[in-house]
Amino acid sequence: GAVVSQHPSWVICKSGTSVKIECRSLDFQATTMFWYRQFPKQSLMLMATSNEGSKATYEQGVEKDKFLINHASLTLSTLTVTSAHPEDSSFYICSARDRTNHLNQPQHFGDGTRLSIL
Amino acid sequence: GENVEQHPSTLSVQEGDSAVIKCTYSDSASNYFPWYKQELGKRPQLIIDIRSNVGEKKDQRIAVTLNKTAKHFSLHITETQPEDSAVYFCAAGDHQGAQKLVFGQGTRLTINP
Repeated sequence: GAVVSQHPSWVICKSGTSVKIECRSLDFQATTMFWYRQFPKQSLMLMATSNEGSKATYEQGVEKDKFLINHASLTLSTLTVTSAHPEDSSFYICSARDRTNHLNQPQHFGDGTRLSIL
Repeated sequence: GENVEQHPSTLSVQEGDSAVIKCTYSDSASNYFPWYKQELGKRPQLIIDIRSNVGEKKDQRIAVTLNKTAKHFSLHITETQPEDSAVYFCAAGDHQGAQKLVFGQGTRLTINP
């Protein structure tokens, strides 16, 4: 149980392209999902908290107009990197918590999306 | 905001020996401390977690201890095996509030056969 699916797993695209990444909770409902970015050999840095049916909460220094987050259902959150540039190349990972008894549920991570901007 | 410091950044031990990774946190409101194992290019996987009302938790070869007063917690792996080689991250969060986690810098653990 508690499977989080992330798609795509790998994206290579040209500078200026917008890229959408999907995060789905397959066997549970999640009112809250989290988006992280991880540069090589570094830690996971929280970018934003995605809240179902409302606006995402962004961490300090993360541009909300650059990283668009939509959490339209209890099982799907999307992250769109708009007008991506080489410095946006990174490993993007989402996580989700089961809303059932959520106070006692850990975060479950997706497999991540490796984004490479040429 | 919360700040989590993790040490050491790299750790190499002989197979069968024990490994200890330590973390400190700054926000006394944090009450949830998970540990994740991440293999190269893969998702972080929860290996053990502890809440602030507990001082120690053990699961087979893995144990975590928490000292709330000193604001530090540690991961202990006994009888290490080659498959324990990975990067380990500690994290701290408010399980009942914002629910978000702040991660430590990570420890690259290498088990030498």
